[in-house]
Amino acid sequence: KNQVEQSPQSLIILEGKNCTLQCNYTVSPFSNLRWYKQDTGRGPVSLTIMTFSENTKSNGRYTATLDADTKQSSLHITASQLSDSASYICVATNFGNEKLTFGTGTRLTIIP
Amino acid sequence: EAQVTQNPRYLITVTGKKLTVTCSQNMNHEYMSWYRQDPGLGLRQIYYSMNVEVTDKGDVPEGYKVSRKEKRNFPLILESPSPNQTSLYFCASSLGHPAAKNIQYFGAGTRLSVL
Repeated sequence: KNQVEQSPQSLIILEGKNCTLQCNYTVSPFSNLRWYKQDTGRGPVSLTIMTFSENTKSNGRYTATLDADTKQSSLHITASQLSDSASYICVATNFGNEKLTFGTGTRLTIIP
Repeated sequence: EAQVTQNPRYLITVTGKKLTVTCSQNMNHEYMSWYRQDPGLGLRQIYYSMNVEVTDKGDVPEGYKVSRKEKRNFPLILESPSPNQTSLYFCASSLGHPAAKNIQYFGAGTRLSVL
């Protein structure tokens, strides 16, 4: 069964600190993995998309890594800002049937 | 401004009263999709459309209908809503199928409560 598991479920850090969110997936065969940011009361916004051949992808202070062998991805946020408070969702895509499997997200709170 | 617009943003209704949630995109995207988001669960796809007059079931289509008469619009219809359809709904669009690395753009969401 295709699954995407994210950890931690929630995280609180001080403004200015770095953090890393984890995503493990069992989607197979694998096509690509993406990270979304979802602010409270808003729709998800795409941060990065990586295929199985890409190891890292950056978008400003957000850097995603992918290890297709271990089926793990991480999202690293550098020098966090209050506006980074949101849920971060990992999504893995099947190659072939093109199904997207969404994780339940990590709720990140940045405190001043 | 490129956007996906959903209406209404909030809706409270009663069991069995038909309702429609509208979705419109101004990016000339071919692929559109509806998702529901429930606490503790990831986004789940309800229906999707590859192009005008082409729609197909997603993972949780029961109790829902859609239509794609025009490229820009993709309404979600609940013919006889039930309490288990209380949820947060999102419409999304992309140039092509999102599995092909196309970026999906999401609407702001519609929070539906069925009493």
